[in-house]
Amino acid sequence: EIVMTQSPATLSVSPGERATLSCRASQSVSSNLAWYQQKPGQAPRLLIYGASTRATGIPASFSGSGSGTEFTLTISSLQSEDFAVYYCQQYNNWPLTFGGGTKVEI
Amino acid sequence: EVQLVESGGGLVQPGGSLRLSCAASGFTFSSYDMSWVRQAPGTGLEWVSSIYGGGDNTFYADSVKGRFTISRDNSKNTLYLQINSLRAEDTAVYYCAKRGPDWFWDYWGQGTRVTVSS
Repeated sequence: EIVMTQSPATLSVSPGERATLSCRASQSVSSNLAWYQQKPGQAPRLLIYGASTRATGIPASFSGSGSGTEFTLTISSLQSEDFAVYYCQQYNNWPLTFGGGTKVEI
Repeated sequence: EVQLVESGGGLVQPGGSLRLSCAASGFTFSSYDMSWVRQAPGTGLEWVSSIYGGGDNTFYADSVKGRFTISRDNSKNTLYLQINSLRAEDTAVYYCAKRGPDWFWDYWGQGTRVTVSS
């Protein structure tokens, strides 16, 4: 099983600042990586797939990069609605696995 | 508009069973692979099971293999998860999710809560 490790567990930032979230895979997942955003009481929302492709309707303030084992999600200028938990997920191998999440807080 | 609406959750005793349903609309259901993903209280996401659009191939996490069965009725646009031999660690919100261009999920339901407790 591929283990996905996200860091930091919690990221404290101010509105308007940049946030950089990391996701590491225990073995290469090529570019088969997705990012999701989840707000309290809501279902996850797809942000990024293929490591760097924004999903439909996702603003350009969200960007993804990386390949192999190291990945980054960057939020260029945090808005109030961006404070949430972010998960990465690999789909290179079964079982499909998620990282433990990064909470972005004010 | 894609909609996924789960139902069937509830409080069940250890060793009990439930059948979760997910009613899909807004897309050609039979053309898409579907999955169940769960989230235990205060924790992260865990993939549970997936099924091909035609229902001819299924996949399970080791933690549920042999106890959970995923199925679908394409004539009713509905996805199911039969969960047996429930354990306390199965307590979670169960989400149904539609596969995107690869094995990630572009649409999610709002979830149905399963609580296993005596």
